[in-house]
Amino acid sequence: DAGITQSPRHKVTETGTPVTLRCHQTENHRYMYWYRQDPGHGLRLIHYSYGVKDTDKGEVSDGYSVSRSKTEDFLLTLESATSSQTSVYFCAITSALGGVGELFFGEGSRLTVL
Amino acid sequence: DQQVKQNSPSLSVQEGRISILNCDYTNSMFDYFLWYKKYPAEGPTFLISISSIKDKNEDGRFTVFLNKSAKHLSLHIVPSQPGDSAVYFCAASGVGTSYGKLTFGQGTILTVHP
Repeated sequence: DAGITQSPRHKVTETGTPVTLRCHQTENHRYMYWYRQDPGHGLRLIHYSYGVKDTDKGEVSDGYSVSRSKTEDFLLTLESATSSQTSVYFCAITSALGGVGELFFGEGSRLTVL
Repeated sequence: DQQVKQNSPSLSVQEGRISILNCDYTNSMFDYFLWYKKYPAEGPTFLISISSIKDKNEDGRFTVFLNKSAKHLSLHIVPSQPGDSAVYFCAASGVGTSYGKLTFGQGTILTVHP
């Protein structure tokens, strides 16, 4: 099992509240990613990181921020959650022996914004 | 604008027969293509990939075909097994983009009946 864990796995919150999702890896990988999965859209990249304190935006970054203060942790923050951010969020790292795009995903965090 | 499209939301096949999942893309800068499989309540797992310099890649029961002129790829599963029942996502990576920045299709739900 590649060491990647997400927390919380499930969360229900109200519109306007801040939410932070955590991704923790034990593989010492440089690259980490946050994707969201929605029906009809597949998975879409929110933000990614290519090292400690080095992050960049993905396709759907509006309303999200990220931080990476340690190699092993990549945090996704919704400063003020909206109902459109109800989704399943997946963290991913690159596979140790893999090629381009061969990501290893966490089990997901299901977020419901009421 | 969906750059990677899976136009069949679902596919149902009999055990032992061939499953063919299709994917179309519009961005000619994509040069690497992947298929991921996803079971409920789990993260996607990498299945097979193909570089744009090839037209076929095979791994056991799974074969991916790429037709660059048509901007089309397909995943063949032979023979199909009930355990193959899952959501299948195709994904693409562009020239010069970050290692794990993928553009995903919407997914196709494959059901293999015993």
